[in-house]
Amino acid sequence: SAVISQKPSRDICQRGTSLTIQCQVDSQVTMMFWYRQQPGQSLTLIATANQGSEATYESGFVIDKFPISRPNLTFSTLTVSNLSPEDSSIYLCSVGLAGPYEQYFGPGTRLTVT
Amino acid sequence: DAKTTQPTSMDCAEGRAANLPCNHSTISGNEYVYWYRQIHSQGPQYIIHGLKNNETNEMASLIITEDRKSSTLILPHATLRDTAVYYCIVSLGTNAGKSTFGDGTTLTVKP
Repeated sequence: SAVISQKPSRDICQRGTSLTIQCQVDSQVTMMFWYRQQPGQSLTLIATANQGSEATYESGFVIDKFPISRPNLTFSTLTVSNLSPEDSSIYLCSVGLAGPYEQYFGPGTRLTVT
Repeated sequence: DAKTTQPTSMDCAEGRAANLPCNHSTISGNEYVYWYRQIHSQGPQYIIHGLKNNETNEMASLIITEDRKSSTLILPHATLRDTAVYYCIVSLGTNAGKSTFGDGTTLTVKP
């Protein structure tokens, strides 16, 4: 298994600003992912955070809005830029473990945009 | 990834077995069945996964039909703390991180 922590756990931000969310894993992992969960909805994959290269984004998500860093095998950040009320969601970091890649999730970051 | 179909909601009496079905009729031969659950306001929790054989761990049992077109997650003795949304996901073992989450089944365990 893997233990994942996220910072901050929640935040309230003003429209037009940005929020950077940190994800820390207790062991080295190859696969890290960022998900969004809008109020009352299921999870949607934003991107795969690749170590040493640019993140791979899913359809509907772009780097300018959701820049991601992955400086090493235990850490990643997701920035949500130019915030609007529609960005109010829970953002979750997850990791995939080898053979065959069950996922473990962080506790999530609850973002409210006013 | 193969698409899955789950009932929207289910109830279960505390102490009884909870049987959560999942249909995945388009599953391919090398795709695994994964189950996760999300308790309110928490990140999803991995429960169990399987390919062809039935699987059991300390949390649950996974029964996969012989044709692999459906599966059932069994919580043998449901407690109130098992109240959650349960997600059935089908994905390649090497690509499980890119999980596509459907709407899942909301299981309510009642006293």
